[in-house]
Amino acid sequence: GAVVSQHPSRVICKSGTSVKIECRSLDFQATTMFWYRQFPKQSLMLMATSNEGSKATYEQGVEKDKFLINHASLTLSTLTVTSAHPEDSSFYICSATDRPNTEAFFGQGTRLTVV
Amino acid sequence: AQRVTQPEKLLSVFKGAPVELKCNYSYSGSPELFWYVQYSRQRLQLLLRHISRESIKGFTADLNKGETSFHLKKPFAQEEDSAMYYCALSSTSGTYKYIFGTGTRLKVLA
Repeated sequence: GAVVSQHPSRVICKSGTSVKIECRSLDFQATTMFWYRQFPKQSLMLMATSNEGSKATYEQGVEKDKFLINHASLTLSTLTVTSAHPEDSSFYICSATDRPNTEAFFGQGTRLTVV
Repeated sequence: AQRVTQPEKLLSVFKGAPVELKCNYSYSGSPELFWYVQYSRQRLQLLLRHISRESIKGFTADLNKGETSFHLKKPFAQEEDSAMYYCALSSTSGTYKYIFGTGTRLKVLA
């Protein structure tokens, strides 16, 4: 199957700083990328959907200014957690599809710890 | 609203026993439904999708539009089936979304 690479896999940052997470599709054009947040022993909560070249669509309750999503190319989307706080500590996962309603390919996830 | 419900957080069965992981969905249109599996320390991967109607690793799932269900079944569980299973819905009505159920952890006991 297609490969999605997410980087970094683990990051620790100080409270108040910003952290950028990258999601790359290595062998296909990801017209749509999804960003999820997963709390311990819970499901994936969709945060936002991003389409290449357009603004991301955020789910209700997700702060746009806090979780900045950029999808400038067909192979790269980034999630920037701005002014991170300890409650932002979580596991963030990206996935990508090349067409609607097809298989989504997942990154390996990023464990963010804000201290 | 679009929603995927998996009522069981944990399902334990003995090796060789049948398995059924339940999934119900709420969606006004015609959704695309999927089952994803996550083995220990691995990323999520597609197990099967309803449109292909194929059997993967002995698992099958039938879409029942009347009951809005997409239960995952396997007649004889194997220890290597132990994993986290997520039911997912993809929709293009309005904004394209890909949402997941809460997941069911399947434990197959020897």
